[in-house]
Amino acid sequence: SQQGEEDPQALSIQEGENATMNCSYKTSINNLQWYRQNSGRGLVHLILIRSNEREKHSGRLRVTLDTSKKSSSLLITASRAADTASYFCATEGDSSYKLIFGSGTRLLVRP
Amino acid sequence: DVKVTQSSRYLVKRTGEKVFLECVQDMDHENMFWYRQDPGLGLRLIYFSYDVKMKEKGDIPEGYSVSREKKERFSLILESASTNQTSMYLCASIGAYEQYFGPGTRLTVT
Repeated sequence: SQQGEEDPQALSIQEGENATMNCSYKTSINNLQWYRQNSGRGLVHLILIRSNEREKHSGRLRVTLDTSKKSSSLLITASRAADTASYFCATEGDSSYKLIFGSGTRLLVRP
Repeated sequence: DVKVTQSSRYLVKRTGEKVFLECVQDMDHENMFWYRQDPGLGLRLIYFSYDVKMKEKGDIPEGYSVSREKKERFSLILESASTNQTSMYLCASIGAYEQYFGPGTRLTVT
């Protein structure tokens, strides 16, 4: 079952532009996580935002969470070609150590 | 740094073969997971293990079994490989909240 759904499915931007990806989920959560996957590789954890947080920053990443709308967004500022990857949001499944991943947003940053 | 390794990056097997995918983590994590990833379907949980010799079915366990004899090692077994099991298989272990993934095994069943 899919909890998080990312939007858009694919995004193509020019290097230096900002990239925004959105995630919607269905049930209440304790936290939401974002992961990145380079082509043909495993996922790498980027950032976790708790349900009582509205915004969190990590380097060029900014994550927001709106629990009333059951949505989150990931903003990558001043994008680089190396940011080209797929980005997934993940929320808890029926236990805190199980995660449910969305189908991801494929980001292409053109040099 | 946490390290999760998988035994093969690429694997080609024939229909009906028994296939073993091995995963090892070096951070003494109790919980480990096996996912498969297919285009448009995201990551789907096959099995997870919360302790040695303990396992639970995920969302799509049919056609798979697992083994966890040691804490650091979690194996996924395809009893009789079929073409619809051609996929990317990802192993993960969990720290406090975040999951640490291995590099993945791309399995092709012909």
